[in-house]
Amino acid sequence: QVQLVQSGAEVKKPGASVKVSCKASGYTFTGYYMHWVRQAPGQGLEWMGRINPNSGGTNYAQKFQGRVTMTRDTSISTAYMELSRLRSDDTAVYYCARASRAVAGTFGYWGQGTLVTVSS
Amino acid sequence: DIQMTQSPSSLSASVGDRVTITCRASQGISNSLAWYQQKPGKAPKLLLYAASRLESGVPSRFSGSGSGTDYTLTISSLQPEDFATYYCQQYYSTLLTFGGGTKVEIK
Repeated sequence: QVQLVQSGAEVKKPGASVKVSCKASGYTFTGYYMHWVRQAPGQGLEWMGRINPNSGGTNYAQKFQGRVTMTRDTSISTAYMELSRLRSDDTAVYYCARASRAVAGTFGYWGQGTLVTVSS
Repeated sequence: DIQMTQSPSSLSASVGDRVTITCRASQGISNSLAWYQQKPGKAPKLLLYAASRLESGVPSRFSGSGSGTDYTLTISSLQPEDFATYYCQQYYSTLLTFGGGTKVEIK
């Protein structure tokens, strides 16, 4: 079965960077886009961007352009999301999510989430 | 970016009630709309896609409709396990966006 397992919680200082990993199993990693979605405490869902694991091509939400980098390592079926110049309002749970089988733009499978806390 | 506006932001309902949530896009999205359910501390769960198509395993009391810019999610008879927050999401554009969410609480 499809599984997305994310790295553990992180605590970072303002201005630092964080890199979250998402290890995929149960399907062909290069066959589906991987997306990243975040959720600040008590807030809604926010799409950050996506990576094509086959080509490495990326699309980022305008809000995160210049601060986010999504990469992948196909040899270990793992996607990464790095966010730089962290601010306190970047405190959130970060999810990786794979497209559903039915429609590429929807999220049928999710990781368990990684809490990133930005605090001085 | 396409903006998605959900209403209401919260509602109180009783078990057995019919519940309707609306989602409006800032431009036409040609039924490229999904709905998700999220419970506290959990990842969201896909309920419907293409505005009205039920994801496998989702109970038939959930339904969706709409066209153009306006869409609705209906729960025909609210069950105890349906108390959660619901989000719409458009995938018409490459740059995906979610609505702000609707929290369904117990009356």
